[in-house]
Amino acid sequence: AQSVSQHNHHVILSEAASLELGCNYSYGGTVNLFWYVQYPGQHLQLLLKYFSGDPLVKGIKGFEAEFIKSKFSFNLRKPSVQWSDTAEYFCAVNSNYQLIWGAGTKLIIKP
Amino acid sequence: NAGVMQNPRHLVRRRGQEARLRCSPMKGHSHVYWYRQLPEEGLKFMVYLQKENIIDESGMPKERFSAEFPKEGPSILRIQQVVRGDSAAYFCASSPLPRTGEPYEQYFGPGTRLTVT
Repeated sequence: AQSVSQHNHHVILSEAASLELGCNYSYGGTVNLFWYVQYPGQHLQLLLKYFSGDPLVKGIKGFEAEFIKSKFSFNLRKPSVQWSDTAEYFCAVNSNYQLIWGAGTKLIIKP
Repeated sequence: NAGVMQNPRHLVRRRGQEARLRCSPMKGHSHVYWYRQLPEEGLKFMVYLQKENIIDESGMPKERFSAEFPKEGPSILRIQQVVRGDSAAYFCASSPLPRTGEPYEQYFGPGTRLTVT
């Protein structure tokens, strides 16, 4: 069965620090990969997605993620975080209509 | 273009009551998905529906839970005789008709937070 693991449940950073959130999945076939963000009090929004092609994917708000097939990973990165990046971040994969989700990482940025 | 709408945003029910959660997909979308998020966990797939048709309900609990997506009106997730363990956030997503070979991309609503007292 497919599964997704996010390594850190809580991350606290200062503004301007660099961010990397880990995501690993288990599935041997072709997958589509997503990062979603949920800002406090708001709904889930798509940050970025990988379907095929260049494994380095750029998303909104300066985020990017790299798909490394050999490591079954799709880590999310941002070179310099802002206070407004405080949110919960979810990694998800699918190979058909079912999205399989990680447990989420709560990111807190200290001003 | 309105996004996926869910109501109510917050719902409080006593044990044994019924909960009805509504989801209106994005305009032009004919596919609806329901997910449940328990505290400190990721979202879990519950059911996938097209209009008047349940495609996959493998994630639905066997009892008390049902879902529909009628020809007219929103999709409804119904939970009968709620128990405390049903307290969670329930998210609805929608997508357009998928094309062969193209991945499904889902758009999410704001969720309904159900609290069972």
